[in-house]
Amino acid sequence: GENVEQHPSTLSVQEGDSAVIKCTYSDSASNYFPWYKQELGKRPQLIIDIRSNVGEKKDQRIAVTLNKTAKHFSLHITETQPEDSAVYFCAAANQAGTALIFGKGTTLSVSS
Amino acid sequence: DGGITQSPKYLFRKEGQNVTLSCEQNLNHDAMYWYRQDPGQGLRLIYYSQIVNDFQKGDIAEGYSVSREKKESFPLTVTSAQKNPTAFYLCASSMGADLLTRTDTQYFGPGTRLTVL
Repeated sequence: GENVEQHPSTLSVQEGDSAVIKCTYSDSASNYFPWYKQELGKRPQLIIDIRSNVGEKKDQRIAVTLNKTAKHFSLHITETQPEDSAVYFCAAANQAGTALIFGKGTTLSVSS
Repeated sequence: DGGITQSPKYLFRKEGQNVTLSCEQNLNHDAMYWYRQDPGQGLRLIYYSQIVNDFQKGDIAEGYSVSREKKESFPLTVTSAQKNPTAFYLCASSMGADLLTRTDTQYFGPGTRLTVL
């Protein structure tokens, strides 16, 4: 079945720096890749997603890139702020497109 | 997200007891999902349902059961067969069951934290 690997597990940056989180997936049929942000004790919230017909998508300070040949995708956060501190999860749709398979998460800490 | 509710927020269970977690959505979504979250393990899929009266096992279905008698409801029962049930349980829903071709995605409920005493 689909497997999603996420790195790093923890990431600490200074306010204003950029943060990059990388994920790889195993099923070449996967076509949908969302990213979720989860603050402590709260539900995961979708922050950005990308489908395989595009290689990059941006939304203000957040961008996601997709390399289908290499089967990896990355989240880029620029000009980080303390409120960006959270756990970030990547995911890939399973082969049937009926469910999401999640990475294990990255704990991002932004210090001011 | 406000259209998906889970209850209770906190739940305590004695060993050997079954317990049912509630998940309701008023978004008219066809598909619903249950995930389990443990520290450092991410979100693991327990069960999902694409349509009323139908559901499929996810990666960690053993010790759990579900039903989908109504479109808006997808309760999860944690049975005594689940050896390590203490975890944070998240319910999610999506408009359609085909994430590959639709433009929607999954939205999560607030979660239920289950603790076995």
